[in-house]
Amino acid sequence: DTAVSQTPKYLVTQMGNDKSIKCEQNLGHDTMYWYKQDSKKFLKIMFSYNNKELIINETVPNRFSPKSPDKAHLNLHINSLELGDSAVYFCASSPGGGARQFFGPGTRLTVL
Amino acid sequence: QKEVEQNSGPLSVPEGAIASLNCTYSDRGSQSFFWYRQYSGKSPELIMFIYSNGDKEDGRFTAQLNKASQYVSLLIRDSQPSDSATYLCAVDSNYQLIWGAGTKLIIKP
Repeated sequence: DTAVSQTPKYLVTQMGNDKSIKCEQNLGHDTMYWYKQDSKKFLKIMFSYNNKELIINETVPNRFSPKSPDKAHLNLHINSLELGDSAVYFCASSPGGGARQFFGPGTRLTVL
Repeated sequence: QKEVEQNSGPLSVPEGAIASLNCTYSDRGSQSFFWYRQYSGKSPELIMFIYSNGDKEDGRFTAQLNKASQYVSLLIRDSQPSDSATYLCAVDSNYQLIWGAGTKLIIKP
């Protein structure tokens, strides 16, 4: 059974388009995260939700909007995609903030 | 801004030798420390965690924590080519994990 799943695995799109990435976890965790990992491999936190409530919102352009319909799901919608948005986006979950995190397989986004 | 520092490497170690990876952190209140391994094109996976000062061993891996020096390390004994990966150090701070930039480890046959 997959613990943290993301769809799609690959996303290739044109500049200016809007796209969404979906994440689901079946671990019963309360906290979910979105990370961005660029070509230099640095893992940067974008958002964190605890029980459907936003608790971390790092300096991220307003074009990025997370949505958590329930505590098992955290989706990421990106408007007006730019070249600099090309990266791998990881979803993760944990039992609580500061605890060990479990990562999804990642979504490789390429903006042309 | 709380920070976690790691040497980016690459760290090159002969097969069979001990690989030593180091991490320093700035938040004196941190209580939980994690080592993740990330293979190229894959997601990070947890390999060790430590909460108390001293050593914690799991197979070929040993995590060492020194809270007074704000230092955590990972030792890999009998290094194998399959250990070649990027190792990420993560430290809890204010109910989130602060991540280091990772150390790329290369095990040479």
